Amino acid sequence: KAGVTQTPRYLIKTRGQQVTLSCSPISGHRSVSWYQQTPGQGLQFLFEYFSETQRNKGNFPGRFSGRQFSNSRSEMNVSTLELGDSALYLCASSFSGGRYEQFFGPGTRLTVL
Amino acid sequence: AQSVTQPDIHITVSEGASLELRCNYSYGATPYLFWYVQSPGQGLQLLLKYFSGDTLVQGIKGFEAEFKRSQSSFNLRKPSVHWSDAAEYFCAVGSTGNQFYFGTGTSLTVIP
Repeated sequence: KAGVTQTPRYLIKTRGQQVTLSCSPISGHRSVSWYQQTPGQGLQFLFEYFSETQRNKGNFPGRFSGRQFSNSRSEMNVSTLELGDSALYLCASSFSGGRYEQFFGPGTRLTVL
Repeated sequence: AQSVTQPDIHITVSEGASLELRCNYSYGATPYLFWYVQSPGQGLQLLLKYFSGDTLVQGIKGFEAEFKRSQSSFNLRKPSVHWSDAAEYFCAVGSTGNQFYFGTGTSLTVIP
């Protein structure tokens, strides 16, 4: 089985711009979660989607949004970028979420200048 | 509330020495527990998991972990560390509320 893929791998944006990140889960997985990872904050949970519905949401401002398509692929959008949004954004897929192990993609490294 | 604590932010060991990384969790029901490893600039790779049954679980790369319910712990061990084990290690708990909780991670440095 192919693993979780994320595109793009690297991204450079300027303050005020918006960005869209993409995640393709493992075939058959219906749950996709997004995390922000920074050196000072560790792994911060953004949100989780299951069957095209947002099922859980972390404590991030409304500038961070996401969606999931019928094929389970997911996108994450950040509007009005701030310098503090520079981070590694990780996507993880799981068969049904919750208690089951998550499989991570390589991440998208976002740099905001 | 569910939480995961990794009390050691950074650990340094000599190559060939044994390793133990600590993890404590707070969870009301029987937890599903995981250890992940992350190499620099990479995603997380699952090392091992505990769902139920034998409290000593074996994982990849020679790692094992022991679930101790009385201590709410799930410590990761390896009898002999290799230089390639240098990485960041994360403990996590999966909940029935469809959420995954990660610890803050332990950075491992291996001295030749």
